[in-house]
Amino acid sequence: GENVEQHPSTLSVQEGDSAVIKCTYSDSASNYFPWYKQELGKRPQLIIDIRSNVGEKKDQRIAVTLNKTAKHFSLHITETQPEDSAVYFCAASTAGRRALTFGSGTRLQVQP
Amino acid sequence: EAQVTQNPRYLITVTGKKLTVTCSQNMNHEYMSWYRQDPGLGLRQIYYSMNVEVTDKGDVPEGYKVSRKEKRNFPLILESPSPNQTSLYFCATKRTETYNEQFFGPGTRLTVL
Repeated sequence: GENVEQHPSTLSVQEGDSAVIKCTYSDSASNYFPWYKQELGKRPQLIIDIRSNVGEKKDQRIAVTLNKTAKHFSLHITETQPEDSAVYFCAASTAGRRALTFGSGTRLQVQP
Repeated sequence: EAQVTQNPRYLITVTGKKLTVTCSQNMNHEYMSWYRQDPGLGLRQIYYSMNVEVTDKGDVPEGYKVSRKEKRNFPLILESPSPNQTSLYFCATKRTETYNEQFFGPGTRLTVL
């Protein structure tokens, strides 16, 4: 089955700096890669996603890049703000199974 | 308002005492799923259902049961809970197609003593 590895497990940045979280996946058939943000005590919520036929997608301060050949994808947050502090999860989905396999999460702390 | 609800939100129980965590959605989604979240392990899928009367195992199904008799409800059943099932549980729903957003319920924190 699919295996998703996520790094780093914790990340601390200064407000205004950029943050990058990286994930690798094992199943070359995976074709959908969402990112979820989970604030303390809250449910995960989708912040951005990318399909396998796209190399990059941007939404304001967040962007996701996908390298299908290397089977890795990354989340980029620019101009970080304290409210970006949360746990971020990457995930991969294979069309046939229609299930999401999640990475282990990255705890991002933005220092004011 | 579109929502996914879970009950109870918090539960402390003892080993072996059967329990059910309910999940209900009003978004008319075909696909429903249960995850458990443990520190350092992310979210792991327990069971999922593509539609009424269709359920399948996820990555960690041992010790759990599910049923899907109605489109809106997808209860998670622990017939004989054990301490290693202490976890945070999330129900999630989405439209069947791969690229659709998955919506999570508020979570149920379960402690098995």
